[in-house]
Amino acid sequence: ILNVEQSPQSLHVQEGDSTNFTCSFPSSNFYALHWYRWETAKSPEALFVMTLNGDEKKKGRISATLNTKEGYSYLYIKGSQPEDSATYLCAFWVSSGSARQLTFGSGTQLTVLP
Amino acid sequence: DAMVIQNPRYQVTQFGKPVTLSCSQTLNHNVMYWYQQKSSQAPKLLFHYYDKDFNNEADTPDNFQSRRPNTSFCFLDIRSPGLGDAAMYLCATSRDGGQPREKLFFGSGTQLSVL
Repeated sequence: ILNVEQSPQSLHVQEGDSTNFTCSFPSSNFYALHWYRWETAKSPEALFVMTLNGDEKKKGRISATLNTKEGYSYLYIKGSQPEDSATYLCAFWVSSGSARQLTFGSGTQLTVLP
Repeated sequence: DAMVIQNPRYQVTQFGKPVTLSCSQTLNHNVMYWYQQKSSQAPKLLFHYYDKDFNNEADTPDNFQSRRPNTSFCFLDIRSPGLGDAAMYLCATSRDGGQPREKLFFGSGTQLSVL
């Protein structure tokens, strides 16, 4: 059984605060890690696709790091804004036999309070 | 400008009454996926099409079927919905499939309620 764990499950922060959350995944047979942002009533959208140990990606105030040896990725949001409120999903690429697919975590639900 | 479109946004059906969810895409992607997400859980892959090649996950119940009549459209049929099938159903596409770097493009989902 492949487990992708995200923590915390939910959090509330004040506007302007910086925050971060974690995605944990198996450290063996690593191919790629994806981050998606899912705003309420909208489609999940890809934020980052990370493939190399030590990768750091940045998109505006959002950045992510990757440690494949220990099996975790952090997502950081600097100076949170209400529009950052969303569920953030990570997904681990699995390749096993004929199966090739993304396995998702259950997400971190972020609420930014004005 | 929606590229992956799911209809309807909300679907209510009765216990045991067949229901069909639809998904269309304007991206001309080869691969289309159906995910099921129950409250506060991870999205779970039900099946996917690589072009016309259907791939069912081992633990997807027989109650769930899918059709892909052409590149643009894909349907999820639930033959006899049970209360446990109430969930958000997400459709997604990817250009080629089987590539770790390839991101998914999602629809906004259909929230299914079973009464």
